[in-house]
Amino acid sequence: SQTIHQWPATLVQPVGSPLSLECTVEGTSNPNLYWYRQAAGRGLQLLFYSIGIDQISSEVPQNLSASRPQDRQFILSSKKLLLSDSGFYLCAWSVLLGGPTPPGYTFGSGTRLTVV
Amino acid sequence: ILNVEQSPQSLHVQEGDSTNFTCSFPSSNFYALHWYRWETAKSPEALFVMTLNGDEKKKGRISATLNTKEGYSYLYIKGSQPEDSATYLCAFSPYNAGNMLTFGGGTRLMVKP
Repeated sequence: SQTIHQWPATLVQPVGSPLSLECTVEGTSNPNLYWYRQAAGRGLQLLFYSIGIDQISSEVPQNLSASRPQDRQFILSSKKLLLSDSGFYLCAWSVLLGGPTPPGYTFGSGTRLTVV
Repeated sequence: ILNVEQSPQSLHVQEGDSTNFTCSFPSSNFYALHWYRWETAKSPEALFVMTLNGDEKKKGRISATLNTKEGYSYLYIKGSQPEDSATYLCAFSPYNAGNMLTFGGGTRLMVKP
């Protein structure tokens, strides 16, 4: 069965420090991978998605970047965190289109990031 | 930018009450509408995926309807229980990008015992 792992669960970082959040998927090949963020009082906002190794699309210009060095690994990074980067970050994966049912997402357990 | 809106933002009900909330989405280029249930400190969990106008899905006390022509879906919970307390998210995917989900802001449901 497919599983998705995301870590760390919580993180408190000072302004200006770097960030690295990691997400890995097991039990499937060539998944679509996504990073979402929920800022306080707001809905889920798509940050990045990837359809393959080193293929990253950014939805919102910002202080963050994403990388996919391996098929089932998706990393969210920042060189210098801002206060506005605080929020709840979710990684998700989906299969490619083409099956009988539109693919939904399977989400990781999330990372609560507080920038102080 | 796709506009997916949910109302109300939050809802407090008593145990045993039935409740419903709304998701509105673009009525053109429709591919699918997804509902998720998101409990605090857990991952969002898929409830339903709906594709056809007039679709109705049911899972226990929770059901959902879909109107693609006017661009809305309702989620109903019959006889709410405290364990139903969660945020309910809807997500729209367009026909030309069926893998891409645009989420609404969610409805936070709190059921008081």
